[in-house]
Amino acid sequence: AQTVTQSQPEMSVQEAETVTLSCTYDTSESNYYLFWYKQPPSRQMILVIRQEAYKQQNATENRFSVNFQKAAKSFSLKISDSQLGDTAMYFCAFMKQAGTYKYIFGTGTRLKVLA
Amino acid sequence: EPEVTQTPSHQVTQMGQEVILRCVPISNHLYFYWYRQILGQKVEFLVSFYNNEISEKSEIFDDQFSVERPDGSNFTLKIRSTKLEDSAMYFCASSEVTGFTYGYTFGSGTRLTVV
Repeated sequence: AQTVTQSQPEMSVQEAETVTLSCTYDTSESNYYLFWYKQPPSRQMILVIRQEAYKQQNATENRFSVNFQKAAKSFSLKISDSQLGDTAMYFCAFMKQAGTYKYIFGTGTRLKVLA
Repeated sequence: EPEVTQTPSHQVTQMGQEVILRCVPISNHLYFYWYRQILGQKVEFLVSFYNNEISEKSEIFDDQFSVERPDGSNFTLKIRSTKLEDSAMYFCASSEVTGFTYGYTFGSGTRLTVV
């Protein structure tokens, strides 16, 4: 069975600074996908970034980038130039390549961006 | 931008009562999901639905739960006889193709409170 661990329940960062959220996972699968979702106070989860395990290149989406270390089973999210609107709960999620495409979520990291 | 719509946003019900949570997925999406999030805990997979049938369900999704796509647009989750431990936020999601390609689109959730 797959597990996803987010070891930082809460973090804070000053506006305009950079913050890194950690995620580790455990799986015996060789092909899979990893995601970061953002859940602002409005509750709807929004996809931030995704990474295919077979790609060595780290995914980037504007101010968001990941550090994917497949051997270490680590998938951290870096937010550059943090903005007040980045304040949210961030969930790391794992999905097998084959199967029914369900997510296994971590417990989340609550990020607060300070003015 | 297309949205997944969930109603109601909050429902309070007596223990033992039946509840139906409603979702309108994005119209051209083919895969549908229900997840739940007990307050302060991780988001957990309940069920996935494709081609008018359940494709996978978790051990949480016991005989008290059922899903239906009654009219080609709505996607409902029914809890037949609610228990206190069913109190949670329930999220509906849909995806156009297999969920790893673009991720899911989540609804804003229904907060279910069983008293």
